[in-house]
Amino acid sequence: SAVISQKPSRDICQRGTSLTIQCQVDSQVTMMFWYRQQPGQSLTLIATANQGSEATYESGFVIDKFPISRPNLTFSTLTVSNMSPEDSSIYLCSVEGTGGEYEQYFGPGTRLTVT
Amino acid sequence: GENVEQHPSTLSVQEGDSAVIKCTYSDSASNYFPWYKQELGKRPQLIIDIRSNVGEKKDQRIAVTLNKTAKHFSLHITETQPEDSAVYFCAAVKNFGNEKLTFGTGTRLTIIP
Repeated sequence: SAVISQKPSRDICQRGTSLTIQCQVDSQVTMMFWYRQQPGQSLTLIATANQGSEATYESGFVIDKFPISRPNLTFSTLTVSNMSPEDSSIYLCSVEGTGGEYEQYFGPGTRLTVT
Repeated sequence: GENVEQHPSTLSVQEGDSAVIKCTYSDSASNYFPWYKQELGKRPQLIIDIRSNVGEKKDQRIAVTLNKTAKHFSLHITETQPEDSAVYFCAAVKNFGNEKLTFGTGTRLTIIP
């Protein structure tokens, strides 16, 4: 499976500010995904990021709030904009397995607290 | 869209006993069903998966069964150990080549020594 890293691992931010989360993979992957996991909850897909095209957002998530970049096949960023306490969550990126596999593997996550 | 229900939400079993977690899905087009284990403060880790052309898959103490007709699949853990304590999530993927995962709500499994 791919080795996935995320930065930062955690942050405490003030409301109204923005935070950009980075996701780096050690191999080239076509599809990268961004999830949100609120405390004690399941994982909710925010968007799918493909290199060279705009991200595809799920219902309830919009580009203005969660802009995503995917400049190459090993890197993506998710920005949480104009944050409010309700944005306090763990944000995780995931990637598909290599070799056309269906498996998805997750990064270690970014724990965001908004005060 | 796809909807995945997971039961129970919490499960406590005596060490050495078996644990079973069940999930149902709504979309008959779903064809891949992974299970993830998430320990406290850690990332979800893929522990086993099954594709729609297979009815059962085993990996040591872990097994997954799939009933396509009933649209449900289950995780079975035998000879449970304290390190099996975690939150387990089932998921379903709809359509070949589209790896959008829809997750269940999770089961917190506690193994009692």
